[in-house]
Amino acid sequence: DQQVKQNSPSLSVQEGRISILNCDYTNSMFDYFLWYKKYPAEGPTFLISISSIKDKNEDGRFTVFLNKSAKHLSLHIVPSQPGDSAVYFCAASDPSNTGKLIFGQGTTLQVKP
Amino acid sequence: DSGVTQTPKHLITATGQRVTLRCSPRSGDLSVYWYQQSLDQGLQFLIQYYNGEERAKGNILERFSAQQFPDLHSELNLSSLELGDSALYFCASSPGGRTEAFFGQGTRLTVV
Repeated sequence: DQQVKQNSPSLSVQEGRISILNCDYTNSMFDYFLWYKKYPAEGPTFLISISSIKDKNEDGRFTVFLNKSAKHLSLHIVPSQPGDSAVYFCAASDPSNTGKLIFGQGTTLQVKP
Repeated sequence: DSGVTQTPKHLITATGQRVTLRCSPRSGDLSVYWYQQSLDQGLQFLIQYYNGEERAKGNILERFSAQQFPDLHSELNLSSLELGDSALYFCASSPGGRTEAFFGQGTRLTVV
């Protein structure tokens, strides 16, 4: 039962353009979401989060949008840089408030110079 | 550097063996989480400890166990290893509750 889904395994964009990574969830009790970035041979690093009381959160080049009615969130990276090439994981915080995270399968982003 | 330290980085062992993975959380973090990432999969939650007590359990096999010690470091014990246990095992820590977790670099376990 995949509660958090990233349906695009990979995405390729040109440097300077926008990257849009998508994530869907099924559990309407989820109210806190996070994006992590992972380089090869490293652990995931926290990127940005959003609470369900907001529909947008911005941090520099990274913006996360949340559409609760559609149970959908997206991460926008503008402008994309070659150093952004990595695997991006969407995660939902378990409603039990333990801090346990439920991850999607990840999307591999390649930014071409 | 996330501040979370995992050892060893790599481990190769034979089927049927037992191994112990170690994790030191960030200074001050009381929660430790263990995740498993199999090939091309997302991270699957295994177990969480908070200040020495088990707090949450995921789809962790009965052959696997964990503990958190008084100094807050944690160990994940994997026994009767099978080929399918080959994976990346990540430890993460947080102060607890609904906040971002910080991940270690992982231990790559290969069972041959």
